[in-house]
Amino acid sequence: AQKITQTQPGMFVQEKEAVTLDCTYDTSDQSYGLFWYKQPSSGEMIFLIYQGSYDEQNATEGRYSLNFQKARKSANLVISASQLGDSAMYFCAMRELLQGAQKLVFGQGTRLTINP
Amino acid sequence: EAGVAQSPRYKIIEKRQSVAFWCNPISGHATLYWYQQILGQGPKLLIQFQNNGVVDDSQLPKDRFSAERLKGVDSTLKIQPAKLEDSAVYLCASTRTEGYNEQFFGPGTRLTVL
Repeated sequence: AQKITQTQPGMFVQEKEAVTLDCTYDTSDQSYGLFWYKQPSSGEMIFLIYQGSYDEQNATEGRYSLNFQKARKSANLVISASQLGDSAMYFCAMRELLQGAQKLVFGQGTRLTINP
Repeated sequence: EAGVAQSPRYKIIEKRQSVAFWCNPISGHATLYWYQQILGQGPKLLIQFQNNGVVDDSQLPKDRFSAERLKGVDSTLKIQPAKLEDSAVYLCASTRTEGYNEQFFGPGTRLTVL
């Protein structure tokens, strides 16, 4: 079974600084996908960024980028120029294929707090 | 485009009572997911539908949980009877097709079992 590990329960960062949220994964599949979601206090999961295992370049979406190191099995999220509105829970997830069905397996999450 | 709708947003019940949650996915989305998110953890998939058929329900506690998506659109998740450990947020998500497309999540239903 696939596994996602997020080792940082909480992160505190000053506004406008860059922040890196760690994610490591374990899989024997050659084809897989990695996602990052943001969950503010309102509870809704918001998709941020996706990286496919065969994508040669790191994914970027605005202030979000994914530092994908395949050999190390890591997919860290980098947020540049952090804002107060970035304070939330962040989840790393992997697409798992099981008997033809695809589902997401989530990590435990990291709570990010941006200080003014 | 309207997002994934869920109701109710909050529910408080006593153990052994029954409860039902409703989800209406984004229009045209064939795949629908129900997740359980216990406080301090990531979401865990309970059941996945493709149109009105079940694709994966391997982690659904079938002795007390049931779910249906009769017309391939909206879905209900039921718990009967509820236990204390069922206290969690129940998230519904949908995608156009089964694939690596991002899942769009609803606001969730926060269930408290006393």
